Amino acid sequence: AQTVTQSQPEMSVQEAETVTLSCTYDTSESDYYLFWYKQPPSRQMILVIRQEAYKQQNATENRFSVNFQKAAKSFSLKISDSQLGDAAMYFCASGTYKYIFGTGTRLKVLA
Amino acid sequence: EAGVTQFPSHSVIEKGQTVTLRCDPISGHDNLYWYRRVMGKEIKFLLHFVKESKQDESGMPNNRFLAERTGGTYSTLKVQPAELEDSGVYFCASSLRTAYSGNTIYFGEGSWLTVV
Repeated sequence: AQTVTQSQPEMSVQEAETVTLSCTYDTSESDYYLFWYKQPPSRQMILVIRQEAYKQQNATENRFSVNFQKAAKSFSLKISDSQLGDAAMYFCASGTYKYIFGTGTRLKVLA
Repeated sequence: EAGVTQFPSHSVIEKGQTVTLRCDPISGHDNLYWYRRVMGKEIKFLLHFVKESKQDESGMPNNRFLAERTGGTYSTLKVQPAELEDSGVYFCASSLRTAYSGNTIYFGEGSWLTVV
């Protein structure tokens, strides 16, 4: 069965600091995609970053980057220069035509 | 451009009652998905429409759940009769092409259902 595991229910980071959210997954698919979604208090689920599993280069979107370790089936999200607006629930997901999500990590940003 | 919109945003119903959730996908998106998050657990896939056809409904929990997408535009998800364990957030999402092609799916804000 395909699974996605987020082992950190909650994380805190000081404003302007860097934080890394962990995610591991298991899939039998040979070609798949990995995602990080953010759900702020406003509730809209927003795509943060996407990684194609066939690409070795780690995806980057401004202050957000991933560390994709395909052999280890690990897909962590690094947020640099954390801002108050980054506070949200972060979900890791993998999939092809349907996504498997982790249970989420609540990120608190401290002023 | 309007995003995925869902209605109602919150609903509180008694056990045994019926609730219908509505989702309007982004205009032009043929692919529509329903997901559910029961409190504290992961978000789980329910089903996938391509236009008006159900492509995959393997995630539907039981026959108390009925999803429709008549005309291939908006979709409804009906729960009848509702049970306590149906409480959670129901997310709708849409994409231009299938997520299999890596096409991004866009989520709505979710409909929070509480069954008491």
